[in-house]
Amino acid sequence: QQQVKQSPQSLIVQKGGISIINCAYENTAFDYFPWYQQFPGKGPALLIAIRPDVSEKKEGRFTISFNKSAKQFSLHIMDSQPGDSATYFCAACQIYNQGGKLIFGQGTELSVKP
Amino acid sequence: DAGVIQSPRHEVTEMGQEVTLRCKPISGHDYLFWYRQTMMRGLELLIYFNNNVPIDDSGMPEDRFSAKMPNASFSTLKIQPSEPRDSAVYFCASTSRGGRETQYFGPGTRLLVL
Repeated sequence: QQQVKQSPQSLIVQKGGISIINCAYENTAFDYFPWYQQFPGKGPALLIAIRPDVSEKKEGRFTISFNKSAKQFSLHIMDSQPGDSATYFCAACQIYNQGGKLIFGQGTELSVKP
Repeated sequence: DAGVIQSPRHEVTEMGQEVTLRCKPISGHDYLFWYRQTMMRGLELLIYFNNNVPIDDSGMPEDRFSAKMPNASFSTLKIQPSEPRDSAVYFCASTSRGGRETQYFGPGTRLLVL
């Protein structure tokens, strides 16, 4: 019940295209859903996050769509750029009850071709 | 701010040896997390501290692993004795009570046990 399932494992997108990564969770106690971006040789860094009381959050080219009833959320990268090539992790946590203990998905390796 | 500092960045050791990984969190942060990243298991939380006290060590794989936080600016993760299956990248992350929505990751320690 603590798992977060992420797909696809890898994704190749042309420059200017839309990248879509999906995640699903089981634990309805989760109340915070961040996405982290990781470049090779670096630690993950927070990209964007959402709480379950909203269905969508947009920051620039990055959008999270959240479906509480389906227990699913997704990351959309519009106008994908080669600089977006990285590994993306979705995560979930109980932000207050468990100190923000993050449960990560398996990661998606995104490659944006010029 | 220098961010989360980890040392060493790379460690190569032989099976059976003791390994000590070090972490300096961001000043003022009172939560510290240790994660392990492998291809097979992805990013998994090992242990986290709040105000230097271990709160949840359920992710620590075996008694060979131990973690300490003697003060607010320093933490260690020790593996004794090390085994080849411990080879991974180990990340330390920190956050503050008021800003726990963002965990700041260090650059990681790449450990190879031969």
